[in-house]
Amino acid sequence: AQSVTQLGSHVSVSEGALVLLRCNYSSSVPPYLFWYVQYPNQGLQLLLKYTTGATLVKGINGFEAEFKKSETSFHLTKPSAHMSDAAEYFCAVRRGAGGTSYGKLTFGQGTILTVHP
Amino acid sequence: GAVVSQHPSWVICKSGTSVKIECRSLDFQATTMFWYRQFPKQSLMLMATSNEGSKATYEQGVEKDKFLINHASLTLSTLTVTSAHPEDSSFYICSASLWTARNQPQHFGDGTRLSIL
Repeated sequence: AQSVTQLGSHVSVSEGALVLLRCNYSSSVPPYLFWYVQYPNQGLQLLLKYTTGATLVKGINGFEAEFKKSETSFHLTKPSAHMSDAAEYFCAVRRGAGGTSYGKLTFGQGTILTVHP
Repeated sequence: GAVVSQHPSWVICKSGTSVKIECRSLDFQATTMFWYRQFPKQSLMLMATSNEGSKATYEQGVEKDKFLINHASLTLSTLTVTSAHPEDSSFYICSASLWTARNQPQHFGDGTRLSIL
């Protein structure tokens, strides 16, 4: 079974500061990991994904995440926060191992990012 | 690419009414679509998986007679909330994948805010 834990339901940073959103996962099979962003009253937009290959993944809007198997982590970072980055961010792992759960996403609880001027 | 359109974006209706929500993949054929429910300040809860040409598979605890899903074509899935009551008020989001391969991301619609009076 897969699960995702996002440490910190709220993160607040100043504009221009480093953004770090934490995500830890558990998975019985090699994980496929995703970060999504949600703006108020909207659906989710894919930021980036890790499937195989390079463990440092670059996404849209200057975000990147590093898959660390030894730490079972997939933290999301951005060197310099912008006001437009204020939103809720979800980490997700895609289920595997066949059966009726195959292909489904398990989401973390979400982290609300606030950016102060 | 990979645009998912969801309609309507906002519905307000009286208790006892049935409400239909449409989810369309605009530029790709989606063999699988997913329906989620999101309560305020919470993560997404998977309700059901919709497969083109076959019956939907529902997550445990989701009433299939309450939430009717039809996936009649490779570009359209519908969710009908039958005899809706105030407790059905929520934000409903659909997503679509080209196929269920684990390395393929799900693309999300913008969601439907359902308010039952």
